[in-house]
Amino acid sequence: KNEVEQSPQNLTAQEGEFITINCSYSVGISALHWLQQHPGGGIVSLFMLSSGKKKHGRLIATINIQEKHSSLHITASHPRDSAVYICAVRSGGGGADGLTFGKGTHLIIQP
Amino acid sequence: DAGVIQSPRHEVTEMGQEVTLRCKPISGHDYLFWYRQTMMRGLELLIYFNNNVPIDDSGMPEDRFSAKMPNASFSTLKIQPSEPRDSAVYFCASSWALHLELFFGEGSRLTVL
Repeated sequence: KNEVEQSPQNLTAQEGEFITINCSYSVGISALHWLQQHPGGGIVSLFMLSSGKKKHGRLIATINIQEKHSSLHITASHPRDSAVYICAVRSGGGGADGLTFGKGTHLIIQP
Repeated sequence: DAGVIQSPRHEVTEMGQEVTLRCKPISGHDYLFWYRQTMMRGLELLIYFNNNVPIDDSGMPEDRFSAKMPNASFSTLKIQPSEPRDSAVYFCASSWALHLELFFGEGSRLTVL
């Protein structure tokens, strides 16, 4: 079974700061998802990637397959970025759908 | 498309009562997933369907849980009888294929007293 570790568990930062959230996993994967969940809200898929880097607006996701590590970066952070960010990896050792979820990183951006 | 639609958004019930959660997936998506989210365990897959057929229900905690998908546009997750430990947020998600992007609903927050 794939073990997915996210760090930090909690992060509080000031508006405008550059944010990095990390995700490490234990066995090889076919894809990695980054999800965003606002308080009391639904879950939105931000990225799905299997190599390299993807960018969408102020969000950048990178993955290093050899090191079994991915990072989610937020540039020029804003209070509306406050949410839980969840990493999920797809591999043969995951659940029935192949996915193993991290416990999430709680991000708070203060004005 | 309106996205994945779940109802109710919030449900408070008493132990022993039957609970039915509903989901309308995105039109054209062949896969539908039910997840449960708790503080302790995070997101867990309960069951998923492909073309309305249940493929894997190994995540369903016990016989009190059942799920159906009578057609491509509707699925239910039923808990009977409900227990306080079932309190959680239940998410429905859909996808074009098993290994593609997931689209989640807003979730149904269940509280069993």
